[in-house]
Amino acid sequence: NAGVTQTPKFQVLKTGQSMTLQCAQDMNHEYMSWYRQDPGMGLRLIHYSVGAGITDQGEVPNGYNVSRSTTEDFPLRLLSAAPSQTSVYFCAARTGSPQGYTFGSGTRLTVV
Amino acid sequence: GQQLNQSPQSMFIQEGEDVSMNCTSSSIFNTWLWYKQDPGEGPVLLIALYKAGELTSNGRLTAQFGITRKDSFLNISASIPSDVGIYFCAGLNYGGSQGNLIFGKGTKLSVKP
Repeated sequence: NAGVTQTPKFQVLKTGQSMTLQCAQDMNHEYMSWYRQDPGMGLRLIHYSVGAGITDQGEVPNGYNVSRSTTEDFPLRLLSAAPSQTSVYFCAARTGSPQGYTFGSGTRLTVV
Repeated sequence: GQQLNQSPQSMFIQEGEDVSMNCTSSSIFNTWLWYKQDPGEGPVLLIALYKAGELTSNGRLTAQFGITRKDSFLNISASIPSDVGIYFCAGLNYGGSQGNLIFGKGTKLSVKP
């Protein structure tokens, strides 16, 4: 039981490139979300999903796309990377309980 | 959007000292949570609080849900080197299958042996 798995762990992109950050969970949780963490800013919500086929925007959605075709996977897409998207990205899955959040170990993205 | 003010931003303490940090909000939450983040890892839940006025302990950690529902504090007693990390408060208005965490900016704790 791996919980929430994020890949890759590290990535360097050039401005304008696209990429997909992968997030997979093996806990059969309906709710999944993506956060970004910047120094001194805490974690800010990018997008979230309450189940397969349902996604919604969080606090900082611009420049990011998501889809949820299965319960297990919730990929985050950067269509045209910008230096402002340099950050650490965390994916989380949640049970039906407020305390049931499980976070992945993060993807550190640098855009040059 | 909702914002949480967490203080202090950082703390440098001696091993064995007690630590206190707090979080305030302009909005009401019906759940407060405290997380710890180790370097290179995601946040891990320490304590969850569900009722105004609730005081909950987890080993050397004690947290309280403020009676106004707009604040919470976390105390760590007799700190040890493995307490080093970033501590985050998070507020949540939980309802049904939804409810998104709103995080504070974190308190970075350093412990001198």
